[in-house]
Amino acid sequence: DTAVSQTPKYLVTQMGNDKSIKCEQNLGHDTMYWYKQDSKKFLKIMFSYNNKELIINETVPNRFSPKSPDKAHLNLHINSLELGDSAVYFCASSQGIMGATNEKLFFGSGTQLSVL
Amino acid sequence: GDSVTQMEGPVTLSEEAFLTINCTYTATGYPSLFWYVQYPGEGLQLLLKATKADDKGSNKGFEATYRKETTSFHLEKGSVQVSDSAVYFCALSGNQAGTALIFGKGTTLSVSS
Repeated sequence: DTAVSQTPKYLVTQMGNDKSIKCEQNLGHDTMYWYKQDSKKFLKIMFSYNNKELIINETVPNRFSPKSPDKAHLNLHINSLELGDSAVYFCASSQGIMGATNEKLFFGSGTQLSVL
Repeated sequence: GDSVTQMEGPVTLSEEAFLTINCTYTATGYPSLFWYVQYPGEGLQLLLKATKADDKGSNKGFEATYRKETTSFHLEKGSVQVSDSAVYFCALSGNQAGTALIFGKGTTLSVSS
């Protein structure tokens, strides 16, 4: 039973399209995250939700919109895709809020997005 | 702002060699420090952590000691195996609620038999 699952695993699309990536965690965690990993493996936080409330919103183009319908799900919608959006997107979860607690993050296996 | 600096990779070793991956950090206050590992095609997994100065985190033969005086958290293993081949990330968490885990750029380790 996968703890943090993302779909799809691979996403190939044309510039200008709109796409979504879905994430679900079955760990009962309160906090979920989206990270972007570029081609050099650098990981950068994009968003974080705690109990469906947005708590971290880094400097990300507003073409990216996260949505958390409940605390077990955090989806990422991307409008008007650009070449530079090509990356691996990782969803993660933790029981509490980082900084207030120091538990580990549980990561999904990633979604490789390729924009042509 | 807070940041993590890791040694550049790739690191290439023979099986049973000694491993050190350097990590230094810049942070206000007293962050918690972590090492995560990413195996090919997978998400990151926590390898070890330390939450205060002089703490030593250890797991699967890997160790790292939180050194506040040198702002470092170097990862070591006495004898690496082929199965240790992966990307290793040093990370820190500030002590204010709502701050994200900040990662270094990752160090690729390749171990040959």
